[in-house]
Amino acid sequence: AQSVTQLGSHVSVSEGALVLLRCNYSSSVPPYLFWYVQYPNQGLQLLLKYTSAATLVKGINGFEAEFKKSETSFHLTKPSAHMSDAAEYFCAVSEGTGGFKTIFGAGTRLFVKA
Amino acid sequence: DAGVTQSPTHLIKTRGQHVTLRCSPISGHKSVSWYQQVLGQGPQFIFQYYEKEERGRGNFPDRFSARQFPNYSSELNVNALLLGDSALYLCASSPISGRYTGELFFGEGSRLTVL
Repeated sequence: AQSVTQLGSHVSVSEGALVLLRCNYSSSVPPYLFWYVQYPNQGLQLLLKYTSAATLVKGINGFEAEFKKSETSFHLTKPSAHMSDAAEYFCAVSEGTGGFKTIFGAGTRLFVKA
Repeated sequence: DAGVTQSPTHLIKTRGQHVTLRCSPISGHKSVSWYQQVLGQGPQFIFQYYEKEERGRGNFPDRFSARQFPNYSSELNVNALLLGDSALYLCASSPISGRYTGELFFGEGSRLTVL
C-alpha cells in the first residue's frame, strides 16, 4: 500500500532563505510523485510531478524536487523564499502501474518571515 | 478553458440530513476523484471514477456514495450526516490517456458544515 510522510507540519524561513520541505514515500511499485500547493480557502494546485523520467524535476514558481529511490524521498526545495510562497504544501503518491488512487501527506505549512 | 467546477461552494446542514455535491471536470477529462479535507489535514481519498465506473474507493463508510454521468460530471452523496463530516470536499479531474499517472486538477471545493 502507498503512503506518504511529510516531516514537519510547520516550517518557517526568512525571505530569501532556502526552502526545504521533506517528503518520504512508501510504494510497492514504481511510484509517481507530486507536490501540490494550497492557498487559504482554495483547492490544490500542482507544483511539479515525477513520472519516471528525470529524477530532478522542476516546477512552477522556482520550486524543484529530486526523486531518490534509495532514500524513498522526494524533497521539495526553492533556493530563495518569497513572501508569496507562504501556503500549505502537500506531497502525494500514486502507483504507476494502473492504480487509480493518489494518496496525500498531512501537509507542511510554510511561513515566510520578512 | 474552464477548470474543475464544484457546487455549492458552501453549505450548512444538520445532523442526520443528506447532502449532494456536484462536480464538472475539465473538458476532455474522463476521470473524477473525490477527496475530504478536514481542517488542518491532508486530503483523504474517497472515490475515483473513470468512464462512469468506480475504479477506487477509500476507507469511508457506506453513507458515502458517488456516481459519474455520461458527460463525465459527478455527484458525491453523503447520507445521515455526522458532525465529523464537516470538511472541505474536493473534486479533481484527471487527463487519463492510457495510463493513470495520478496527476489531479482540483476545483475550489465545497465547504460543508454539519451542525
